Amino acid sequence: DQQVKQNSPSLSVQEGRISILNCDYTNSMFDYFLWYKKYPAEGPTFLISISSIKDKNEDGRFTVFLNKSAKHLSLHIVPSQPGDSAVYFCAASGNTGTASKLTFGTGTRLQVTL
Amino acid sequence: SQTIHQWPATLVQPVGSPLSLECTVEGTSNPNLYWYRQAAGRGLQLLFYSVGIGQISSEVPQNLSASRPQDRQFILSSKKLLLSDSGFYLCAWNGGRVVDTQYFGPGTRLTVL
Repeated sequence: DQQVKQNSPSLSVQEGRISILNCDYTNSMFDYFLWYKKYPAEGPTFLISISSIKDKNEDGRFTVFLNKSAKHLSLHIVPSQPGDSAVYFCAASGNTGTASKLTFGTGTRLQVTL
Repeated sequence: SQTIHQWPATLVQPVGSPLSLECTVEGTSNPNLYWYRQAAGRGLQLLFYSVGIGQISSEVPQNLSASRPQDRQFILSSKKLLLSDSGFYLCAWNGGRVVDTQYFGPGTRLTVL
């Protein structure tokens, strides 16, 4: 049972344009959401997060939007740069009582073209 | 600042051989520690987590085990590797709060032949 889904395995965007990566979740107990960026053969790098009490969080070129009623979040990258080309993972966390455990989506490969 | 190390970076092992992967964290105390695996073309799957020395929680039944002999050391082991154990193994830590960002190490690429 895939509780966090990234239905687009890949996305190609022209440099300077907006990249929009989408993520859906099914578990209503999730209350903290994160985006990670991953290059091949490296560990994921944390990008941005959002708590369920917010619907938007912005950090530089990166903005995450959360729609709790639709159980949907998205990551906007504006403007997109060639260095943004990587695999992006959405992750979600719920209150487990002892440790925050992340459930990851399968990732979306973003390619930013010149 | 905090740093997380993993070694080895790559490993090729025959089926049936033992495994030991090590993860250490610097610059923090009493972290939560996590082991994930990324199989080819898949997302990251949580294997084990630990909230303290000697405390290990397993997320999925498998051929692997974990141990935490020291506060900032987390070890992933197997007595006999299977072909299906191949993958990219990632260690992560966070500050121990219930809701907290996890930070990942560089990973170990394990190939079982």
